[in-house]
Amino acid sequence: DSGVTQTPKHLITATGQRVTLRCSPRSGDLSVYWYQQSLDQGLQFLIQYYNGEERAKGNILERFSAQQFPDLHSELNLSSLELGDSALYFCASSVGSGETQYFGPGTRLLVL
Amino acid sequence: GENVEQHPSTLSVQEGDSAVIKCTYSDSASNYFPWYKQELGKGPQLIIDIRSNVGEKKDQRIAVTLNKTAKHFSLHITETQPEDSAVYFCAASNPQGGSEKLVFGKGTKLTVNP
Repeated sequence: DSGVTQTPKHLITATGQRVTLRCSPRSGDLSVYWYQQSLDQGLQFLIQYYNGEERAKGNILERFSAQQFPDLHSELNLSSLELGDSALYFCASSVGSGETQYFGPGTRLLVL
Repeated sequence: GENVEQHPSTLSVQEGDSAVIKCTYSDSASNYFPWYKQELGKGPQLIIDIRSNVGEKKDQRIAVTLNKTAKHFSLHITETQPEDSAVYFCAASNPQGGSEKLVFGKGTKLTVNP
């Protein structure tokens, strides 16, 4: 158990819908990262937050957004969902910049 | 940007044998190289990492070597056990470059046969 929690574990929804994925980092960690894992693209970095501020952006679609709240938990919002958004979404956290990233168990999203 | 290549994509060994997985990276500024193990239905779990100021690091049956000149690093697992069966990912990042994102290889599915 890494100490990173993610909810929900599974999510099934329809095209065009919007969902919110939630992540709670390890106690004391200030950085939160979001990654997408799909069969064709592998593990891809989406976005990073550090102590409430956006720190870095990867190949995150404009339909996706995220935020980190004062209690350091983070949410990833996915809107106007398409079939191709079906994937595993992982959250990772680290103490600070350049430190080891610990991954949560992931949320499996299925868009029908 | 950074690109990480990982080989082989699948690896099958007999219990007790050694397993070696190799990765190359493109960005010479990368200086942090973790390895993750992912079991079915679980998130990636860090098993070992190395920073660019060392050439080798060992933790029991697991070791990682880094060749900065050639821009490649390798994972070595000795005395493999069936519970080592999983998908292994290498990654690279440049934490001092303003972004701590990890760039991952495509993964190696390791099967250890009893």
